[in-house]
Amino acid sequence: DAGITQSPRHKVTETGTPVTLRCHQTENHRYMYWYRQDPGHGLRLIHYSYGVKDTDKGEVSDGYSVSRSKTEDFLLTLESATSSQTSVYFCAISDFRQGESDEQYFGPGTRLTVT
Amino acid sequence: QQQVKQSPQSLIVQKGGISIINCAYENTAFDYFPWYQQFPGKGPALLIAIRPDVSEKKEGRFTISFNKSAKQFSLHIMDSQPGDSATYFCAATSSGGYQKVTFGTGTKLQVIP
Repeated sequence: DAGITQSPRHKVTETGTPVTLRCHQTENHRYMYWYRQDPGHGLRLIHYSYGVKDTDKGEVSDGYSVSRSKTEDFLLTLESATSSQTSVYFCAISDFRQGESDEQYFGPGTRLTVT
Repeated sequence: QQQVKQSPQSLIVQKGGISIINCAYENTAFDYFPWYQQFPGKGPALLIAIRPDVSEKKEGRFTISFNKSAKQFSLHIMDSQPGDSATYFCAATSSGGYQKVTFGTGTKLQVIP
């Protein structure tokens, strides 16, 4: 497995509370991504980062913010959690090099339940 | 906007049979088509991928067939085994640098003995 860890792995929180999920990599990959996985929707991109302090929005970014202060860490924050944000969240990394695979490596996921 | 359509949503195959999952895309700028395999409780992992300069790629029991004119590609699992039971996602992206990967909605495969 690629060196990607996510914390926490499971979390239950109440509506309206802030939540921060952490992704940590040991691969020194440039690109990092946050996805959410929901039945019937596959994997949808929330935010991504293309370098330290360089981030941008994905297709489902409303209600989420991110920060990347170090190459190895990418944080996803739900400012005020809602029940619609109950999901499994995956972090992924990639590091394109000319002529090589464009593979994304995924972390083990965080199951978040908002009650 | 669903740019990669995947079917079927679920699939049950007898051990030793052939599993076939189909995907169709819309964006002609896509030039890299990976398939990811996900076991319960795990993150997806790359299974096999193809670029549009070839019509087929085979790795062991797994084959991608690619039809550029129809904008369709499919995954074939030959001699399906119970250990292949997992969720499979097709995806498409424009390669190089940041990858805005668009995933299909997934196919849950069950291989029964």
